[in-house]
Amino acid sequence: NAGVTQTPKFRVLKTGQSMTLLCAQDMNHEYMYWYRQDPGMGLRLIHYSVGEGTTAKGEVPDGYNVSRLKKQNFLLGLESAAPSQTSVYFCASSPYPPGTAFSEQYFGPGTRLTVT
Amino acid sequence: RKEVEQDPGPFNVPEGATVAFNCTYSNSASQSFFWYRQDCRKEPKLLMSVYSSGNEDGRFTAQLNRASQYISLLIRDSKLSDSATYLCVVTPIKAAGNKLTFGGGTRVLVKP
Repeated sequence: NAGVTQTPKFRVLKTGQSMTLLCAQDMNHEYMYWYRQDPGMGLRLIHYSVGEGTTAKGEVPDGYNVSRLKKQNFLLGLESAAPSQTSVYFCASSPYPPGTAFSEQYFGPGTRLTVT
Repeated sequence: RKEVEQDPGPFNVPEGATVAFNCTYSNSASQSFFWYRQDCRKEPKLLMSVYSSGNEDGRFTAQLNRASQYISLLIRDSKLSDSATYLCVVTPIKAAGNKLTFGGGTRVLVKP
């Protein structure tokens, strides 16, 4: 049982390049999330999904797209990377929606992205 | 004002001592509260949920004060392994956009 895995762990992009971050979970969770973490800013929600085939915008969605074609996978795309997207990206999954007492989120190990 | 605020620290704590810190939130409709632990360059992991009546898990005690809109975490008999950043998480009732709001974290350094 691997939990939540993220690929790649590190990446350096040049401005304008594109890439896709992959998140996979083997816990059969309905809810999946993409966050970015910047110093002093805490974790901020980029996009989320409440089930296979669904996606929705979070707090900071601009410059990112997502897809959830399979329940276990949640992809985050950067179409044209900018230096402001340099960050650590975390994927998370949960069996229950937020606002419930048991809505623990399980996080992947993160992807460190640098855009030059 | 940020929705969830934490003292970034660091709190320098002698091994064996007690440390406590708070997290304030601005949305009075907040429903669920959690403390997560994040080690350096690692992912956050759930430490404990925070219940209205307060709850304890070993050396860790969490309290909720709805009137003053803050949650607290107390660590007794601090261990070197308790050194980490502690994130508070707050969720409103019927969370808009299924959003959990994370605080910026409080860094704790336990020293011998």
